[in-house]
Amino acid sequence: DAGVIQSPRHEVTEMGQEVTLRCKPISGHNSLFWYRQTMMRGLELLIYFNNNVPIDDSGMPEDRFSAKMPNASFSTLKIQPSEPRDSAVYFCASDRENTIYFGEGSWLTVV
Amino acid sequence: AQSVSQHNHHVILSEAASLELGCNYSYGGTVNLFWYVQYPGQHLQLLLKYFSGDPLVKGIKGFEAEFIKSKFSFNLRKPSVQWSDTAEYFCAVNSPYNQGGKLIFGQGTELSVKP
Repeated sequence: DAGVIQSPRHEVTEMGQEVTLRCKPISGHNSLFWYRQTMMRGLELLIYFNNNVPIDDSGMPEDRFSAKMPNASFSTLKIQPSEPRDSAVYFCASDRENTIYFGEGSWLTVV
Repeated sequence: AQSVSQHNHHVILSEAASLELGCNYSYGGTVNLFWYVQYPGQHLQLLLKYFSGDPLVKGIKGFEAEFIKSKFSFNLRKPSVQWSDTAEYFCAVNSPYNQGGKLIFGQGTELSVKP
């Protein structure tokens, strides 16, 4: 099993630029989650999908953040425009039978 | 609302010492319980989980956890830690009845093991 695959692994971008993070969940998993991790705030759930449908986006910080899941094997998290306070590790995770498996994360730095 | 509390922010132990990390949750119904480990610079990996049955669950790398329903606790234990156990440990809970299995995490406990 390939696990949850995220790209890019590392990204450094300038403030104001658009950032797109990508995720391929484990095949057959029905739910997909986007988490953000920072030293100050720990792990935060941003949004999650079930069967490609957004179920809870209450964790999305503001309108600059958006997420899509056009099909069962792909999701994106977009930040536009990016700000330095968005610097964090963004984890994608997928779930089957109530057990969540995490990708290796996308390390974002906004300068 | 569900919440998870990990009482120890940072634990420092010497190799071969015994470990117990506390985890308490707040939820009125049936829960699934998890411990995840995050090694420095890496992603979260599942250590062990409890859904039902024997309240003492064994996970990878010699870890175990005990679910005590009356105390709303799910403490993580290891009889003898190694330097390689240095990591951050997260307790998490979800409800088997919540669509999609949304996980609620504790704040994490950083474990430093001195060689």
